Amino acid sequence: QSVLTQPPSVSGAPGQSVTISCTGSSSNIGAGYDVHWYQQLPGTAPKLLIYGNTNRPSGVPDRFSAFKSGTSASLAITGLQPEDEADYYCQSYDRSLSGYVFGAGTKVTVL
Amino acid sequence: QVQLQESGPEVVKPSETLSLTCTVSGGSFGTIGYYWGWIRQPPGGGLEWIASGDSAGSTYYNPSLKGRVTISLDTSKKYLSLRIRSVTAADTAVYFCTRRPHGSSSGFDSWGRGTRVSVSS
Repeated sequence: QSVLTQPPSVSGAPGQSVTISCTGSSSNIGAGYDVHWYQQLPGTAPKLLIYGNTNRPSGVPDRFSAFKSGTSASLAITGLQPEDEADYYCQSYDRSLSGYVFGAGTKVTVL
Repeated sequence: QVQLQESGPEVVKPSETLSLTCTVSGGSFGTIGYYWGWIRQPPGGGLEWIASGDSAGSTYYNPSLKGRVTISLDTSKKYLSLRIRSVTAADTAVYFCTRRPHGSSSGFDSWGRGTRVSVSS
């Protein structure tokens, strides 16, 4: 059972928007630790998608956005594209566990 | 652009030691300001942080691995290594070498392609 809770799956048609939630607790997200998001395409290594709660690395389309509030964070994908079909993971730091923690991942399906 | 390449055995026997190496190219390995480490992903599962360290000698481990893990960095040869002792089937996973810039606002910004390890007799 992951420390950060994500929905197992979300889906949407091309062009639509989807949102992935990441719920933590007072020992991780709620303690002020930043949330980062990763995209893992099938058969590949994860790729940093969002860092520091809201920031996109160079090259990441602005269709991807994220925010953090309280003990939760969310990743939004607008204008869904077929190539966005992947697993998405949130990540933070947990002071009780003294380590970096990940959500279990959310599979995004483009219908 | 930094590149990370993992290498090591594909199969390890239960109770033995798993040893992996990550070769770093493209600069920044000996530079203060980055953590280098390992993350693994069991078959069909999620991501688990194993350990991180930097060129100043600081190392951090996932407490859940109960002292079975050791990482080391050789900045002159530009590689880092991972050793997991007394492996079981639960250690079967794809192991990724990673880089994370110092600072709490940084994520794991570079990943190797991963190397698959099975623990089996």
